[in-house]
Amino acid sequence: YVLTQPPSVSVAPGQTATIPCGGNNIGSKIVHWYQRKPGQAPVLVVYDDKDRPSGTPERISGSNSGNTATLTISRVEAGDEADYFCQVWDNNSDHKWEFGGGTKLTVL
Amino acid sequence: EVQLVESGGDFVQPGGSLRLSCAASGFTFSDFWMHWVRLTAGQGLEWVSRINTDGSDTIYADSLEGRFTISRDNSKNSLSLQMNSLRGDDTAVYYCARQAHTSGYGGFDLWGRGTLVSVSS
Repeated sequence: YVLTQPPSVSVAPGQTATIPCGGNNIGSKIVHWYQRKPGQAPVLVVYDDKDRPSGTPERISGSNSGNTATLTISRVEAGDEADYFCQVWDNNSDHKWEFGGGTKLTVL
Repeated sequence: EVQLVESGGDFVQPGGSLRLSCAASGFTFSDFWMHWVRLTAGQGLEWVSRINTDGSDTIYADSLEGRFTISRDNSKNSLSLQMNSLRGDDTAVYYCARQAHTSGYGGFDLWGRGTLVSVSS
């Protein structure tokens, strides 16, 4: 199962960043999102399409429908600059996990 | 403190072997399915392997072609990854990660800081 993300997204501080994750009928799957900053471990920022772990600001939200899942970051801050990866569990007989290629969010 | 700490990464020649370890603390390790995930320079995050709570069920990424083996020792709160026949494209930072729930819900809610494996002649 292939997940497609744009390599990069750029946005000015205070604006909204939208990071898509494309996959065949991804709306029928459960999508999770991770943030990874250089030298640090990935951090789960959105799980189960749209839920936020404690510690994820409300500015960060997720949605999933049709062939695209989306991570939205409102009122972008310099500290949001990171790589963002989507992930799904391929719930067929293999039960394997897939990651998207990742999107580098640059805050201008 | 709830944490995962990887170790064992090293520089190794192609064809060599390496064993990675992950020490878990601060939670009931035996309650969780565990994973290895790697971060490569050109490919981003790649899921490597998963093991269930008692170690009786394991699955692997197809790309590994049977060269890696995941295991766990719940008495020592430890996860391992035995890597054989290493290749240049195995070069990566290897993370261990905890799966929040045995279903696909919840994602990987805890990660270690990673250990670097570099395969080169």
